[in-house]
Amino acid sequence: NAGVTQTPKFRVLKTGQSMTLLCAQDMNHEYMYWYRQDPGMGLRLIHYSVGEGTTAKGEVPDGYNVSRLKKQNFLLGLESAAPSQTSVYFCASAGQVYGYTFGSGTRLTVV
Amino acid sequence: EDQVTQSPEALRLQEGESSSLNCSYTVSGLRGLFWYRQDPGKGPEFLFTLYSAGEEKEKERLKATLTKKESFLHITAPKPEDSATYLCAVQAVGGGSNYKLTFGKGTLLTVNP
Repeated sequence: NAGVTQTPKFRVLKTGQSMTLLCAQDMNHEYMYWYRQDPGMGLRLIHYSVGEGTTAKGEVPDGYNVSRLKKQNFLLGLESAAPSQTSVYFCASAGQVYGYTFGSGTRLTVV
Repeated sequence: EDQVTQSPEALRLQEGESSSLNCSYTVSGLRGLFWYRQDPGKGPEFLFTLYSAGEEKEKERLKATLTKKESFLHITAPKPEDSATYLCAVQAVGGGSNYKLTFGKGTLLTVNP
C-alpha cells in the first residue's frame, strides 16, 4: 500500500547542477502534481499533469520542467539549479475530486 | 485568481481547550474545500472535503463546516497528538483550474499537556 513515493528524500546541489525528482504512484490516478513548500509561502503549484503524456504549468513553473511518459510516474527536472530553488518538494496524485494523496517530500538544498 | 487565507497563523492550546481554525476563501466557483493535516517532515494528510454551504463533516475531535465565504475547523477537547499544521485548500470549477488545489499558508496548532 505504497501510495505516492518520492525519490530522493534529501539532496544537496551546487548552483548550476541539474537533477531529476521522481514521483511514482500505484493508485492508477490520472492527475499528478508537483508543489513546492517554503516557510511563510505555503504550498505552490509548479506543474501538473491530467493524464499520461500531458503536462501544464502551475503558479511557479520557471526553472523547472516535467514529463509524464508513464501514467504512474511524474518527473520534475531542474536544468540549472539556483539557490532560490531550495525548498521542500511534494508530489501528489488524484483520481477524482475527493482530494490529493501526497508523497513524503524531497528536501532540496542548492548551495 | 483563487485565494485562501487561514487564521490564526499559530495557535497554542492547553489539552482539553476547544477552539476553531478559520479558512476564508475567494474563488470564482467552488468545486470543493479541503482540509489537510501536516506533521513535521511529512506530506499533507487528507482530512475532509466540503462541497456546499451548510455542509459539516466530523472525524474524532475534528469538525469542519462550510459557508459561502469561509470554513471552520473546530477542535473539541484537543490532545497533544493533535499538534500539527492544518492546511486549507480550494478547488475551483471551470476549465483551466479543474482539479488544481490552491492552498492557504496553514495554521500551526500546538496542544500542551
